[in-house]
Amino acid sequence: DAGVIQSPRHEVTEMGQEVTLRCKPISGHDYLFWYRQTMMRGLELLIYFNNNVPIDDSGMPEDRFSAKMPNASFSTLKIQPSEPRDSAVYFCASRGGGQGYEQYFGPGTRLTVT
Amino acid sequence: QKEVEQNSGPLSVPEGAIASLNCTYSDRGSQSFFWYRQYSGKSPELIMSIYSNGDKEDGRFTAQLNKASQYVSLLIRDSQPSDSATYLCAVTRGRNNNDMRFGAGTRLTVKP
Repeated sequence: DAGVIQSPRHEVTEMGQEVTLRCKPISGHDYLFWYRQTMMRGLELLIYFNNNVPIDDSGMPEDRFSAKMPNASFSTLKIQPSEPRDSAVYFCASRGGGQGYEQYFGPGTRLTVT
Repeated sequence: QKEVEQNSGPLSVPEGAIASLNCTYSDRGSQSFFWYRQYSGKSPELIMSIYSNGDKEDGRFTAQLNKASQYVSLLIRDSQPSDSATYLCAVTRGRNNNDMRFGAGTRLTVKP
């Protein structure tokens, strides 16, 4: 079975530009999570969805960040406008709705904002 | 106090030895606990989950949980060079089993 799919794998953009990161969760999983990883702050939860509905976005750093999940197989994380401090690796993870709470991570998108 | 604390290492063990990784957490209401392995430049890979006090074994890996002491550990038996990675402890926040908080990770090196 395919795991979590993310695109692009690498993104380099200039400050002020809009950046859109994409994620396809594991088929059948009804929870989707967006994380950010930096050396300084480690791995942080930004937002998560259940059945396409945003449940908790308290980790989203600023209004410049937004996330959507228009259907069960696709989610986007958008940064507009981007800033150099947004440079990080962004991971998407998903989990099923069964008894366990294990989350499975995608390969990540390495974002560099110059 | 950090929510999830790990010794950053590096922890170095010889091949074939037991590697012991430790993690403490601050939220007494936490209910779910996980260990992830992350190779350099790669994504976190789930190794173990544990929800009840005691030990849970899976192959060469054993997770140990002590909720009274707010302590989680991971033992790796017969360590291999391929186990060299950063190990992340993750703990869910209170009763919300979706709000997962990660430690900074312990870097493990297994020397041949």
